[in-house]
Amino acid sequence: EVQLVESGGGVVQPGGSLRLSCAASGFTFNTYWMHWVRQAPGKGLVWVSRMNSDGTNTTYADSVKGRFTISRDNAKNTLYLQMTSLRAEDTAVYYCVRDVKYQPESWGQGTLVIVSS
Amino acid sequence: QSALTQPRSVSGSPGQSVTISCTGTSRDIGSFNYVSWYQQHPGKAPKVVIYDVRKRPSGVPDRFSGSKSGNTASLTISGLQAEDESDYYCCAYAGGYTWVFGGGTKVTVL
Repeated sequence: EVQLVESGGGVVQPGGSLRLSCAASGFTFNTYWMHWVRQAPGKGLVWVSRMNSDGTNTTYADSVKGRFTISRDNAKNTLYLQMTSLRAEDTAVYYCVRDVKYQPESWGQGTLVIVSS
Repeated sequence: QSALTQPRSVSGSPGQSVTISCTGTSRDIGSFNYVSWYQQHPGKAPKVVIYDVRKRPSGVPDRFSGSKSGNTASLTISGLQAEDESDYYCCAYAGGYTWVFGGGTKVTVL
């Protein structure tokens, strides 16, 4: 069974940093592209970032480019999202998502990030 | 990228059919057959109900069906049931290894 478990969320002040983790199990992690998708409270889903299977290629939404960094450790079956210069509008539940044929297929339960002073 | 356009809400009585539209552009829905739909209950993670425009994952009831015409995709729920009341999101591959989502549609079972 595919499992994706996010962690690392919490309350952070504007301008601060946070690193999210996503522990994957139940599948061969190093053969899948992985993404982060976020959802602000009461709002819709928004794609954030993607990394290819071997960690050599990344893509970012314009809203986070230059502030967020996606990475992965295939030896640890873990995906990361390093978030810096956080803004109030980054407040959201962040989901780790497995990509199957260019589409979101499996989702974690999400981790909540609140940016507030 | 701009979000795909979905109606804010649709409703129907048990047993009826409802259809949710999802309008994109020639750069996303119009270019690729990588359109998927997600059901999301409050406080829960999204769950895929349709992928590749019209395919259903195992375990998803056959009352869920998908289609696409031009730049618009659609999700139809036939024989509406109480447990179908939820938020639904469309998603399309937008090229450049990116995804774009719709704003979400709340389905209410009257």
